[in-house]
Amino acid sequence: DGGITQSPKYLFRKEGQNVTLSCEQNLNHDAMYWYRQDPGQGLRLIYYSQIVNDFQKGDIAEGYSVSREKKESFPLTVTSAQKNPTAFYLCASSTPLATESENTIYFGEGSWLTVV
Amino acid sequence: AQKITQTQPGMFVQEKEAVTLDCTYDTSDPSYGLFWYKQPSSGEMIFLIYQGSYDQQNATEGRYSLNFQKARKSANLVISASQLGDSAMYFCAMREGRNTPLVFGKGTRLSVIA
Repeated sequence: DGGITQSPKYLFRKEGQNVTLSCEQNLNHDAMYWYRQDPGQGLRLIYYSQIVNDFQKGDIAEGYSVSREKKESFPLTVTSAQKNPTAFYLCASSTPLATESENTIYFGEGSWLTVV
Repeated sequence: AQKITQTQPGMFVQEKEAVTLDCTYDTSDPSYGLFWYKQPSSGEMIFLIYQGSYDQQNATEGRYSLNFQKARKSANLVISASQLGDSAMYFCAMREGRNTPLVFGKGTRLSVIA
């Protein structure tokens, strides 16, 4: 089945540790995104990539890093510099197809990160 | 400046009734798209409906319709014949241009009452 796969679903991190969240898509989409969601809040953009080997910071990039070595993969590393990393992380992808309605952003099922 | 505003933190609706979730937006780009997503308690984001800035007619998808008032910069979601399974968070979002990130509102929690 085509889609976006995030792993792990649940992750616990000790303070001071880096952790990497995986995001893989088999939709052949060019663009990929990482969002953070805090309880009862909307989604905030961390990083996005419109093409392989290129990415841009979003609104809350501090304490996070990404790479885009392959079209289908966009891993997010939550570093120890991120002071409050406990949140729900969503990966998404899209592609600029012919019709605007097909240019929808599709999301993975998310990863819950808890700092213990 | 906040680009997407959802003024209703929570809404209640009786089963089988219609409900309108409000969304206003702010942009100076003439080309933009407006989206609504549903997020159940499981956390997944489910795409519901899309409206392009140049679309002349309001978008509809089954029980969902988007009341697009361009001059007022409003893109309200209307859910007809509410069902218990409609209970969830609903997010309005906008993108300017193609292949750019979505900007989200803070969401509205809809509770459907039997």
